[in-house]
Amino acid sequence: SQTIHQWPATLVQPVGSPLSLECTVEGTSNPNLYWYRQAAGRGLQLLFYSVGIGQISSEVPQNLSASRPQDRQFILSSKKLLLSDSGFYLCASPDRRGGNTIYFGEGSWLTVV
Amino acid sequence: RKEVEQDPGPFNVPEGATVAFNCTYSNSASQSFFWYRQDCRKEPKLLMSVYSSGNEDGRFTAQLNRASQYISLLIRDSKLSDSATYLCVVNTNAGKSTFGDGTTLTVKP
Repeated sequence: SQTIHQWPATLVQPVGSPLSLECTVEGTSNPNLYWYRQAAGRGLQLLFYSVGIGQISSEVPQNLSASRPQDRQFILSSKKLLLSDSGFYLCASPDRRGGNTIYFGEGSWLTVV
Repeated sequence: RKEVEQDPGPFNVPEGATVAFNCTYSNSASQSFFWYRQDCRKEPKLLMSVYSSGNEDGRFTAQLNRASQYISLLIRDSKLSDSATYLCVVNTNAGKSTFGDGTTLTVKP
């Protein structure tokens, strides 16, 4: 099955600083890719999804952006972080064998101070 | 109203207890259903799919009621290791996945 890698795993950033989270996928090609955010004690909120290189759809207006420079690479960025950007960010992709199950990377914990 | 709603919890049960979680969804076009488990500060992982006829995996039983638009998860003979947050996930045929906020279970000795 495919494997999803994310980094960094944990980061503490000051307000106003930039952000870059990276996600790569192994074991599949041309995957759909997603960025989710989970605030403390809350459910997952879909931020962006991508069906191919350079194709990004945004689900909610926000301070973040996403890019897909390569087939199996998905990047989440911000030019200036806000306190409200703190949370657990998860990269995800559907099962490469079809079906509707979603698999997640290990996640990135972001604390904006 | 949220598209997917779960019991708010938390559920605190003794070892060996049977516990049930419910989840309701609002989109009648929903096609597939899942339960995920999320440990503290970890990513969610698929626990089991939910089939129309109901399905069982060891101590875990999932049920789907399309008419009432809810799914359930039953855990029998709870173990300490079952302590986690359980997320209900509902997919439309367009492939959109909607997650519930999760129900937290703590199993105590």
